[in-house]
Amino acid sequence: AQKITQTQPGMFVQEKEAVTLDCTYDTSDQSYGLFWYKQPSSGEMIFLIYQGSYDEQNATEGRYSLNFQKARKSANLVISASQLGDSAMYFCAMREGPNAGGTSYGKLTFGQGTILTVHP
Amino acid sequence: NAGVTQTPKFQVLKTGQSMTLQCAQDMNHNSMYWYRQDPGMGLRLIYYSASEGTTDKGEVPNGYNVSRLNKREFSLRLESAAPSQTSVYFCASSEWVDSNYEQYFGPGTRLTVT
Repeated sequence: AQKITQTQPGMFVQEKEAVTLDCTYDTSDQSYGLFWYKQPSSGEMIFLIYQGSYDEQNATEGRYSLNFQKARKSANLVISASQLGDSAMYFCAMREGPNAGGTSYGKLTFGQGTILTVHP
Repeated sequence: NAGVTQTPKFQVLKTGQSMTLQCAQDMNHNSMYWYRQDPGMGLRLIYYSASEGTTDKGEVPNGYNVSRLNKREFSLRLESAAPSQTSVYFCASSEWVDSNYEQYFGPGTRLTVT
């Protein structure tokens, strides 16, 4: 069963507008984490934002915020004031399970990705 | 502070050849991972090392072996390359730092098997 679902293969947004990229997840663990990564055409994976399942407030990092709705199992990425440089593939990923003895088992399961295109 | 580094950046192999992909991190992270990314897909975990001295299989381990040489270095070996192993390979490392979880990726190795 697919654990991370990104239903938007492609999204378009005008420069300076906000855009929401959808992500839903499935897990029976109580402790888990959700990530968003950006992959530009150059291919590297750039960490954007992280939300832990016990975090009560939505994570924010500059223009990025994560709209975490635990009951609905969704973790949407909101990019405010889009820039041309935001055009890229965006991946949602999930880390399941607790830490063990202080060592993190950060095995990530990735969604299929959403290609974001920012128009001038 | 280079983060996660990988060598080589590109490699072309013939079917049946072997090679080792190298990965090193300078962030003092305990856990390291190898992922592969096929066209149009997200990353899939091949092997991981939760801490120095331990390794475990991920989702797609067949055809690969790994070595956690020390805390910094984690290598991935293809013993007998197959065309199905044509992919982009990413190494990553992770750690809890001041109650925040961070996981960073290397720049990737683009491997083609002919």
